[in-house]
Amino acid sequence: QVHLVQSGAEVKKPGASVKLSCRASGYTFTSNQMNWVRQAPGQGLEWMGVINPSGGSTSYAPKFQGRVTMTRDTSTSTVYMELSSLRSEDTAVYYCARAFLGNCMSSSCPSDYWGQGTRVTVSS
Amino acid sequence: QSVLTQPPSVSGAPGQRVTISCSGSSSNIGAGYDVQWYQQFPGTAPKLLIHANKYRPLGVPDRFSASKFGTSGTLVISGLQPEDEADYYCQSYDSSLSGSVVFGGGTKLTVL
Repeated sequence: QVHLVQSGAEVKKPGASVKLSCRASGYTFTSNQMNWVRQAPGQGLEWMGVINPSGGSTSYAPKFQGRVTMTRDTSTSTVYMELSSLRSEDTAVYYCARAFLGNCMSSSCPSDYWGQGTRVTVSS
Repeated sequence: QSVLTQPPSVSGAPGQRVTISCSGSSSNIGAGYDVQWYQQFPGTAPKLLIHANKYRPLGVPDRFSASKFGTSGTLVISGLQPEDEADYYCQSYDSSLSGSVVFGGGTKLTVL
């Protein structure tokens, strides 16, 4: 049974960085790309980027280029997403979501399993 | 401003049929990239409803169907039920600006 378990809520000050984790289980970690998607309060879904756990290659949404870094640890089946230079507009729930078909770096890819979400609050 | 355009809200009575549109352009849906659909209830993670334009994952009722034509995708919910009240998002890929997965702005479905 596939499970994605995310780290707990974070409160950060503007200008700080936050690093979130997403631990996968129930499948071969390196077989599926992992997306990060966020949702600001009362807003829609926003794709941030994707990491291929097999090799560690990444692709980031243009909006987050230079501010986001996605990494993985194959020994613990965990992916990480670090967002720097936080501002109030980064207050959101952040989800990791497993891609189960396609290559998210070059085409549309559905996500079949999602983590429970991590709430990040950026406030002075 | 989302790359994919959805109506902010739709509504229907139980048993009725509703459609939710997802309008794109020649750099995303019109370029041949697949459309996925997600359902999201308040306070929960999205759930995959439709992938590759028209395919339902196991467990999704056949009341949910979808299609793609030209630069648009459409989600159809037949025999509307109260538990269908949720937010619905389309998703595709856009090849402009170095390429990126993109979501629609979301549609709030109200069951009257």
